[in-house]
Amino acid sequence: QVQLQESGPGLVKPSQTLSLTCTVSGASISSENYCWNWIRQPAGKGLEWVGRTCVRGSSNYNPSLKSRVAISLDTSKTQFSLRVTSVTAADTAVYYCAKEDYGGAWCLDSWGQGTLVTVSS
Amino acid sequence: DIQMTQSPSSLPASVGDRVTITCRASQSISNYLNWFQQKPGKAPKLLIYTASTLQSAVPSRFSGSGSGTDFTLTISSLHPEDFATYYCQQSYMTPYTFGRGTRLEIK
Repeated sequence: QVQLQESGPGLVKPSQTLSLTCTVSGASISSENYCWNWIRQPAGKGLEWVGRTCVRGSSNYNPSLKSRVAISLDTSKTQFSLRVTSVTAADTAVYYCAKEDYGGAWCLDSWGQGTLVTVSS
Repeated sequence: DIQMTQSPSSLPASVGDRVTITCRASQSISNYLNWFQQKPGKAPKLLIYTASTLQSAVPSRFSGSGSGTDFTLTISSLHPEDFATYYCQQSYMTPYTFGRGTRLEIK
């Protein structure tokens, strides 16, 4: 059974960098069959795809975040990470990590429970 | 970006009802359309992928159809645990985009 768990600071100051980690178990993070995604959801609102990284291909990001976002893999730790720079209150959201079936069903089939990040001074 | 338009945004219904939620893409996405269920305080749960394939362990009362730009999610007979918010999502191209959600509520 695949499990994902987000971790990181729950409070980030404006203009600083948001950093989150997703720890994966039950699936090989270095497999070319998967991509690793981040999705966020502001309170009471819908889902916004942030970006993904794939072993087989390159990383892809939502243009709405412009050049502020980066996602990386740490295969030795079975983790992948999200960094969002120059955060504002608009980045306050629950952040989810999710596994994507790459080249097959192309779906986000396993999700972490989510972690709330608040941007505030 | 591909825009996903879901309707209705809110759907009052009763246990036992048959309900349908629609999702329209701003361009053709073939069958790269997924449906999720989300309950308050929980992560979204994948119900259906590639428009009509039921995810493992999802009850057969859920079904999906469509291709191109128009898609539907149908629940044949509502159970109490089905009252939640439903989202469609296209995986045809990045940036992946979601519909704004349909809140299925008790009438």
